[in-house]
Amino acid sequence: DQQVKQNSPSLSVQEGRISILNCDYTNSMFDYFLWYKKYPAEGPTFLISISSIKDKNEDGRFTVFLNKSAKHLSLHIVPSQPGDSAVYFCAASRWTGNQFYFGTGTSLTVIP
Amino acid sequence: EAQVTQNPRYLITVTGKKLTVTCSQNMNHEYMSWYRQDPGLGLRQIYYSMNVEVTDKGDVPEGYKVSRKEKRNFPLILESPSPNQTSLYFCASSTSETNSPLHFGNGTRLTVT
Repeated sequence: DQQVKQNSPSLSVQEGRISILNCDYTNSMFDYFLWYKKYPAEGPTFLISISSIKDKNEDGRFTVFLNKSAKHLSLHIVPSQPGDSAVYFCAASRWTGNQFYFGTGTSLTVIP
Repeated sequence: EAQVTQNPRYLITVTGKKLTVTCSQNMNHEYMSWYRQDPGLGLRQIYYSMNVEVTDKGDVPEGYKVSRKEKRNFPLILESPSPNQTSLYFCASSTSETNSPLHFGNGTRLTVT
């Protein structure tokens, strides 16, 4: 049973606009969330994270929002750039562990 | 350069022929893990290791074995591969600090015919 879900397999956005990638989770014990970015023929690379004590974390053009009551998180990329075109995975874990549960990924295409 | 190295990158084999995918990291990480990526299923954890000689099952361990005899190496062993193990495999490592982000290798594309 998929505990972390990304319901949009793909997303296309114009360069300069905002990209919003969504992620839902079912396990209320999760309290740490991460986003990874993956280019073709490479492994995922860590992008940004957030713990459940926060509802927002920002790093440059990337912001992650967490809504614990809705069990939902989102990644905002502003402004989007062609180099952001990649597959984005969200992941979740419990604070006490190193076991991460990944979503199915969203393929983002930023159109120049 | 800090990295996780997997070998081989591509492997085609036949059902039942034992194979090993190697994984090595040069960051002195305590934690190592194997994932498989399949369409529509995302990344699923196969096995993980908290430190040398300490391994545990992830979500999809059936048909796989691992060993952790040295801190830097964490090979994935398929004793009798089957076609349903055709997948893209990733090795990852991190420090033992809770929720330390994973560093991934570049993947091994395995095809079992």
